[in-house]
Amino acid sequence: SAVISQKPSRDICQRGTSLTIQCQVDSQVTMMFWYRQQPGQSLTLIATANQGSEATYESGFVIDKFPISRPNLTFSTLTVSNMSPEDSSIYLCSVEGRAKNIQYFGAGTRLSVL
Amino acid sequence: DAKTTQPTSMDCAEGRAANLPCNHSTISGNEYVYWYRQIHSQGPQYIIHGLKNNETNEMASLIITEDRKSSTLILPHATLRDTAVYYCIVRLPADRGSTLGRLYFGRGTQLTVWP
Repeated sequence: SAVISQKPSRDICQRGTSLTIQCQVDSQVTMMFWYRQQPGQSLTLIATANQGSEATYESGFVIDKFPISRPNLTFSTLTVSNMSPEDSSIYLCSVEGRAKNIQYFGAGTRLSVL
Repeated sequence: DAKTTQPTSMDCAEGRAANLPCNHSTISGNEYVYWYRQIHSQGPQYIIHGLKNNETNEMASLIITEDRKSSTLILPHATLRDTAVYYCIVRLPADRGSTLGRLYFGRGTQLTVWP
């Protein structure tokens, strides 16, 4: 399995500000994913981030709101821009592990926007 | 990816087997069945996956019907720590460098194991 570290684990932010979430993996992976889990809801895929290419966003998510970086095979960031209370969610990083076809998840970043 | 249907909630007594059903009647021939669980406030945890044959690992067993339109996750001896939301997902295998294989989570089944 892959060990995934997310930072910060939680944060409380003011409306209109931005937060960058970091995802660090203990091994090189090609595919990384970012998910959002709104309160009481299931997980929704935001985007897929592959090293060396632009992130691919799912319907309803745009790069201006959720810019993603993927500078190397072990690291990625997700920025939540110009935050509003509706952005209060858990944001989760996921990677496709060495055992093909198995995705592993980080513990998530719990974001509250006031 | 095919959609799945799961019961909203289930209960199970500690020490008994928990059998969690999932319907995926529109699954295509090369889509796998995956099971994840999410314990409160944690990231989802991979449990098991399969294509057409039954699978077993240290956590659970996966029984897939012959027509592949449904499956059952079996926790043979449920414990209190197995209380979680269980997600049944079908997906295409990941393709290197593409967006195939992304996971689509439904609402899942809330399994409550009671003493």
